[in-house]
Amino acid sequence: GQQVMQIPQYQHVQEGEDFTTYCNSSTTLSNIQWYKQRPGGHPVFLIQLVKSGEVKKQKRLTFQFGEAKKNSSLHITATQTTDVGTYFCAGPWGSGTASKLTFGTGTRLQVTL
Amino acid sequence: DAGVIQSPRHEVTEMGQEVTLRCKPISGHNSLFWYRQTMMRGLELLIYFNNNVPIDDSGMPEDRFSAKMPNASFSTLKIQPSEPRDSAVYFCASSLAGRQVFGSGTRLTVV
Repeated sequence: GQQVMQIPQYQHVQEGEDFTTYCNSSTTLSNIQWYKQRPGGHPVFLIQLVKSGEVKKQKRLTFQFGEAKKNSSLHITATQTTDVGTYFCAGPWGSGTASKLTFGTGTRLQVTL
Repeated sequence: DAGVIQSPRHEVTEMGQEVTLRCKPISGHNSLFWYRQTMMRGLELLIYFNNNVPIDDSGMPEDRFSAKMPNASFSTLKIQPSEPRDSAVYFCASSLAGRQVFGSGTRLTVV
């Protein structure tokens, strides 16, 4: 079946350093979503990308959808301790029903002072 | 808007007992999802409903698991009999147009 992998699985940075996580799908996606889960919390929706090559920014976060719509990235500039958590990409797969999502493996970010 | 409400927040039960997890989706959302999260397997979709109808239950691990959605404002996930390997955090999420809103989850421990 469809697979989506995220790399790295884990990254530890010092506050102020940049961070990037990559999401790769084995199939072309109609759209991709990103979620953040704080330790002990639940996934929270961050953004959805739809167009090929789309780039969206949210303050220090930059999201990009690949030209082939098979990969995506999330870049955080000048990380802060509030960025700690696991970042998941998610996309519609399988039956073609738009409302079903499959989540990637996640990248856990640790930020220390 | 109260968001997606799950109960209980924590459940500790003995192996063999029946466990029922509950979820109240956001009013107006037409899709509801049940996920299980563990360190080993990550976030897994168990089953989802569209307009109260089960659409895809291929993620339900075995017959011990069942889910119902009797109306638009309530869903249950039942495990009978429970086993230690069912220990995990179970999330319910609802959505209207793709974006999913998650509840706070139920942390289940089967001893």
